[in-house]
Amino acid sequence: SQTIHQWPATLVQPVGSPLSLECTVEGTSNPNLYWYRQAAGRGLQLLFYSVGIGQISSEVPQNLSASRPQDRQFILSSKKLLLSDSGFYLCAWSRFQGPSYEQYFGPGTRLTVT
Amino acid sequence: SQQGEEDPQALSIQEGENATMNCSYKTSINNLQWYRQNSGRGLVHLILIRSNEREKHSGRLRVTLDTSKKSSSLLITASRAADTASYFCATATTGGFKTIFGAGTRLFVKA
Repeated sequence: SQTIHQWPATLVQPVGSPLSLECTVEGTSNPNLYWYRQAAGRGLQLLFYSVGIGQISSEVPQNLSASRPQDRQFILSSKKLLLSDSGFYLCAWSRFQGPSYEQYFGPGTRLTVT
Repeated sequence: SQQGEEDPQALSIQEGENATMNCSYKTSINNLQWYRQNSGRGLVHLILIRSNEREKHSGRLRVTLDTSKKSSSLLITASRAADTASYFCATATTGGFKTIFGAGTRLFVKA
């Protein structure tokens, strides 16, 4: 079976500090990978998606970046955090091919920028 | 703006009652999905309905899709306190592989 891991679960970082959130998927190959951000009580904002190693598409221009160094690893980074980067960050994967578009989510990382 | 928009934003019902949530979208879709999110957790996929389907069931869940009105509804029958969560609709556009999520309906089921 497939599993998706995210870490850390919670993070408190000062403004201007760097960020690295990691997501890994097990039990599948060549997944589509996604990073979302969710503000409190709101829906999901798609930040980045990737269809393969080294292939990253950005949905929202901002001070965040994403990388996919391995097939099942997706990293969200920032060189200098802003207060507005606070939120709940969710990683998800979906199957690369086929008619199904279900996404499978990780447990999320709660980021507070102080 | 978001592709999917849920209505109502919040819903409070008694245990045993049915809960109905609606979703509207704007463009042609390949499929529409419903997800549940418990507070502080990741989303869990509930059900997917394809654009050529009109109704789908899964346990206590019933989803309808009206592509002419660009709308969908999620019915949870005989609700339980454990159904308390936020429910999101999400659409996969025709020819795309991204899924766009709405803002969600917060359901509270009182025991």
